[in-house]
Amino acid sequence: AQSVTQLDSHVSVSEGTPVLLRCNYSSSYSPSLFWYVQHPNKGLQLLLKYTSAATLVKGINGFEAEFKKSETSFHLTKPSAHMSDAAEYFCVVSDRTSGTYKYIFGTGTRLKVLA
Amino acid sequence: DAEITQSPRHKITETGRQVTLACHQTWNHNNMFWYRQDLGHGLRLIHYSYGVQDTNKGEVSDGYSVSRSNTEDLPLTLESAASSQTSVYFCASSLDRGPTDTQYFGPGTRLTVL
Repeated sequence: AQSVTQLDSHVSVSEGTPVLLRCNYSSSYSPSLFWYVQHPNKGLQLLLKYTSAATLVKGINGFEAEFKKSETSFHLTKPSAHMSDAAEYFCVVSDRTSGTYKYIFGTGTRLKVLA
Repeated sequence: DAEITQSPRHKITETGRQVTLACHQTWNHNNMFWYRQDLGHGLRLIHYSYGVQDTNKGEVSDGYSVSRSNTEDLPLTLESAASSQTSVYFCASSLDRGPTDTQYFGPGTRLTVL
């Protein structure tokens, strides 16, 4: 079975500074990976997904992630944090079991943006 | 615009009571999912359905049931609510069943079992 590990449960950055949220995956084959964002009291929204077409994936709101097979990583970055980026972020892998694909979620990283 | 809605948004109930959480999607998606979100666990899959009359157990299905009588709805029932089922519940839907398929999430239902 595949899995993801989000290396930080909390990250704090100052507004205008870069954001790095780390995710490592475990997979026996080429994975499909996703990043979702959850704002307070809201549902989850897709930020971006890796589908093997390109290793650098651009998402919404200036976020991007790079798939690195050699490091089994899919870290999420943004050049300049905005106050509205404060939220919880989930790294997700699509896992194939019994012929079907299911989402396996990481435990989440809460991003705090300081003024 | 297509959307996925959940009701109620907040629910307080007592141990032993039966509770049903509603999920309705207008995406016309075949697949629907129920997750629970608990601190330190991310989201965990409870049940899922790939179409009308199809239901399947997920990772944490004990104490829960679902039924799918139409494309739009997948209600989640807690047969006899327990305090361990206090959680935030999310419904999601998707069109296809492939590895890159995107799931679309509802706003969640916060359930408290006293």
